Amino acid sequence: DVKVTQSSRYLVKRTGEKVFLECVQDMDHENMFWYRQDPGLGLRLIYFSYDVKMKEKGDIPEGYSVSREKKERFSLILESASTNQTSMYLCASNSGGPGQPQHFGDGTRLSIL
Amino acid sequence: GESVGLHLPTLSVQEGDNSIINCAYSNSASDYFIWYKQESGKGPQFIIDIRSNMDKRQGQRVTVLLNKTVKHLSLQIAATQPGDSAVYFCAENGDYKLSFGAGTTVTVRA
Repeated sequence: DVKVTQSSRYLVKRTGEKVFLECVQDMDHENMFWYRQDPGLGLRLIYFSYDVKMKEKGDIPEGYSVSREKKERFSLILESASTNQTSMYLCASNSGGPGQPQHFGDGTRLSIL
Repeated sequence: GESVGLHLPTLSVQEGDNSIINCAYSNSASDYFIWYKQESGKGPQFIIDIRSNMDKRQGQRVTVLLNKTVKHLSLQIAATQPGDSAVYFCAENGDYKLSFGAGTTVTVRA
């Protein structure tokens, strides 16, 4: 089975802090994704990466950046955390083209105080 | 019996009944669709997928139906069990990206 592991289940940070969310997948997938999930808004794509050191903006990239130095690891960075970034963050991965299911981690619930 | 929610955010189902969860998609060019199940405190879990060259696909206790004419997708769960209580999302693909529906919360009554 594909395993996507997010480093923290719960995280509490303060406004203005730089926050790192880490995600690792063990299936040698080329593609990795970061979403946030908010009540009533569903899943929204922040950034994705289709190869090492490659990244593409999703639908809501503002206030975020990403890093993919190794194939198995995709990091989401909140440069200066704000309260409106309090959310559930989900990482996903898949292989090949767009016709493959994405496999998700269990999420990081981030609270910005 | 059957419980059908037409694009409803919630669906209450009697244990043992069949459930039908509906989803409308927006992009007529989408050629791949997925249903996910998300239990409380967990990430979305892949249930079943279907490509646009098919109109029906069956899995274990689940069936997905695709009607491209009206851009409609449905998930049927046979003999609904308490473990089926969750939020169900449909998703359609576009390039590398998936677009997700808002989700339907299914509650199974004992």
